Amino acid sequence: DVKVTQSSRYLVKRTGEKVFLECVQDMDHENMFWYRQDPGLGLRLIYFSYDVKMKEKGDIPEGYSVSREKKERFSLILESASTNQTSMYLCASCQVGLAGANVLTFGAGSRLTVL
Amino acid sequence: KQEVTQIPAALSVPEGENLVLNCSFTDSAIYNLQWFRQDPGKGLTSLLLIQSSQREQTSGRLNASLDKSSGRSTLYIAASQPGDSATYLCAVRHRPRNNNDMRFGAGTRLTVKP
Repeated sequence: DVKVTQSSRYLVKRTGEKVFLECVQDMDHENMFWYRQDPGLGLRLIYFSYDVKMKEKGDIPEGYSVSREKKERFSLILESASTNQTSMYLCASCQVGLAGANVLTFGAGSRLTVL
Repeated sequence: KQEVTQIPAALSVPEGENLVLNCSFTDSAIYNLQWFRQDPGKGLTSLLLIQSSQREQTSGRLNASLDKSSGRSTLYIAASQPGDSATYLCAVRHRPRNNNDMRFGAGTRLTVKP
């Protein structure tokens, strides 16, 4: 069974702390994504990566950075956490190419609370 | 900019009812539309994907339809069960490669009462 694993399900951090959210997929997918999900707003794309060491900004990249040193791992970094970054963070991956292979596979999510 | 709307935000029905969830989008030039299910505190699971050239897709008790010209999709759930209780989200895409242009609705939270 294919998997996207997010290492931390729940985190509580303080304002100003550096936060790392890790995501690993075992499907050899080229594309990986980080979304945040807030009530009433749906999912919004923060960053995505289409290859190792490649990244592109999504709709709301401010306050975030990402790292993709290996194909299977995509990390989201909050350099200095703020209370408005309290949210559910979802990682996803998909394979590029055939239309049927573009289905996103999501991780279980990481709920971050910044105090 | 594409906007995806799902109304109502929440829906409660008794077990056994057939129901329809709605998704509307403002830009009809889509590549495909996808319906997802999300259980509380969890990630999203893909249910059905409809290509722009298709009118509907079926999987078990689920049937998703697409009317591009009117900017609408519906997810029909037959003979609802308590296990169907979850949030259902739709998402649209414009380009065939990559998913960076996907736009999600905020979801409809469905409760099926025994």
